[in-house]
Amino acid sequence: DQQVKQNSPSLSVQEGRISILNCDYTNSMFDYFLWYKKYPAEGPTFLISISSIKDKNEDGRFTVFLNKSAKHLSLHIVPSQPGDSAVYFCAASALGGSNYKLTFGKGTLLTVNP
Amino acid sequence: DAGVTQSPTHLIKTRGQHVTLRCSPISGHKSVSWYQQVLGQGPQFIFQYYEKEERGRGNFPDRFSARQFPNYSSELNVNALLLGDSALYLCASSLLVAGGIDTQYFGPGTRLTVL
Repeated sequence: DQQVKQNSPSLSVQEGRISILNCDYTNSMFDYFLWYKKYPAEGPTFLISISSIKDKNEDGRFTVFLNKSAKHLSLHIVPSQPGDSAVYFCAASALGGSNYKLTFGKGTLLTVNP
Repeated sequence: DAGVTQSPTHLIKTRGQHVTLRCSPISGHKSVSWYQQVLGQGPQFIFQYYEKEERGRGNFPDRFSARQFPNYSSELNVNALLLGDSALYLCASSLLVAGGIDTQYFGPGTRLTVL
């Protein structure tokens, strides 16, 4: 049973436009959410996170929105740049547990076209 | 500052063999976690260690084991390798502040191929 779902395997946008990547989760114990970017042959790079006490967190071109009632979060990238082309993973953890293991989605391949 | 480092970067083994993967966390980080990523999937949690003690274990067979050393570096061991163990093995480190926000930072991974 997949507890974190990224239903879009791929997304293609034009340079300068907005990229919106979506993520849904089923486990109501999750209270901390992270987005990672991954290039081929590299490890995931941390992008931005949000705790369940917030509904929005912004860092430069990246904004994450959390809708707890819908168990949905999204990552907005504005403006999108060709260097943003990568696989984006949504991850979740339950900080109240004995360990902070991350549960990942399958990822969304973002392609930003010049 | 150096990030998380892993060795080796690539490894080729045959079925039935044993493998040891190594990880050095970011300086000051006391928690190390291991993940397995197979093609087309997100990373799957294997282990978490904190202060040399196992804090969590994912749904992996007993062929997988790990340990953490006094300098907080860690090893992941896999015995009796199967073809299905072929994957990218990722190590992540974090501060693991109790009750606080815990962001995990990943190394570049070790690509294991089992023939």
